[in-house]
Amino acid sequence: EADIYQTPRYLVIGTGKKITLECSQTMGHDKMYWYQQDPGMELHLIHYSYGVNSTEKGDLSSESTVSRIRTEHFPLTLESARPSHTSQYLCASSESGKGERPGLAPHIQYFGAGTRLSVL
Amino acid sequence: KNQVEQSPQSLIILEGKNCTLQCNYTVSPFSNLRWYKQDTGRGPVSLTIMTFSENTKSNGRYTATLDADTKQSSLHITASQLSDSASYICVVSDRGSTLGRLYFGRGTQLTVWP
Repeated sequence: EADIYQTPRYLVIGTGKKITLECSQTMGHDKMYWYQQDPGMELHLIHYSYGVNSTEKGDLSSESTVSRIRTEHFPLTLESARPSHTSQYLCASSESGKGERPGLAPHIQYFGAGTRLSVL
Repeated sequence: KNQVEQSPQSLIILEGKNCTLQCNYTVSPFSNLRWYKQDTGRGPVSLTIMTFSENTKSNGRYTATLDADTKQSSLHITASQLSDSASYICVVSDRGSTLGRLYFGRGTQLTVWP
């Protein structure tokens, strides 16, 4: 079982509230990711990080922000939650150094259990 | 546009039976293909990863095949168990960047009945 943890597991909040979704991993992975997943739909990458002080936007535009001050911690923040932010948010991490280059073993992404967010 | 299409969308089988899930992709240039199992309310868990030089890989009762020429993959589950009930997600990685961008399918929802 992967050592990557997300809190809270479930969150119901009102519109306009500021929230932070926590993600921590104890595997020493440099690469971390945030995905958004709606029921029956594919995962969409919203943020990723190559390491400390590195953050990048993913493929799906998101009003959330992330920070990477420590290797093991990759929190996601919504300054003002709206009903359109209702979704499941999945955090993942993977090893670094090998990269996705031909002939080299690809990384496995390890996922947390997710945070299911409902904004009323 | 790079895409990953999975079929069927959902499948119901009886415990002990075998089943095969399909994945077609248009991702190019291709790096590797992964199958994940996602239990309801949980994060995906990796089952297999195959590079372009591999055409079959097993993990217990799960066997994945890959045909890089036709851009098709299948996941075969043998002697299904109730715990196999989950969504099975096909994920394809390209070689376009160091990150190795991942393209996710929508998954096949498998239900195993006793």
